[in-house]
Amino acid sequence: QQPVQSPQAVILREGEDAVINCSSSKALYSVHWYRQKHGEAPVFLMILLKGGEQKGHDKISASFNEKKQQSSLYLTASQLSYSGTYFCGTDPPYNTDKLIFGTGTRLQVFP
Amino acid sequence: SQTIHQWPATLVQPVGSPLSLECTVEGTSNPNLYWYRQAAGRGLQLLFYSVGIGQISSEVPQNLSASRPQDRQFILSSKKLLLSDSGFYLCAWSLSGALHFGNGTRLTVT
Repeated sequence: QQPVQSPQAVILREGEDAVINCSSSKALYSVHWYRQKHGEAPVFLMILLKGGEQKGHDKISASFNEKKQQSSLYLTASQLSYSGTYFCGTDPPYNTDKLIFGTGTRLQVFP
Repeated sequence: SQTIHQWPATLVQPVGSPLSLECTVEGTSNPNLYWYRQAAGRGLQLLFYSVGIGQISSEVPQNLSASRPQDRQFILSSKKLLLSDSGFYLCAWSLSGALHFGNGTRLTVT
């Protein structure tokens, strides 16, 4: 039931791009994306509700595929502040009150 | 604007002792409330969630319990802590959308 994220870890230099994937074996109602910096609580980035939807702000965007089983987070021209662990969160169609987080992807951006 | 308060920030408790963590939300009504736990270097495990006063759904059978005595108050409890209860406990609220987390409680059971 827990969505699987890939890759587990990413190391980047400032200015490089990264893609983080989140996959489920079943169709989902929505996908959330969060970033957690070391020692802090996760912070909401964005939510996607519709199959085929794409959303973004600044240089971070995300997509939700047509079958609503996979989402990708795109980080463009990464900045040092992008470092942290990224989690997707998903809720199944039969229970949209229950948000289950993925396995996490640790992103480190170096100068 | 909405705010969420979670306390204490850190806690060190001996094995077998009781636990009570409290979370309150301000500026919203009838939110969904959640308790998550994060072991060191690991992901976020959903423990309990609540869609209303007195309504608690448990995700992981263990020695923890949760209660929601008021609309904006969520309490996590244990009668006897185990070493495996150590971790980062996070309370969160939502209104059919994004989750907003408290600052968390770092619990160490010794």
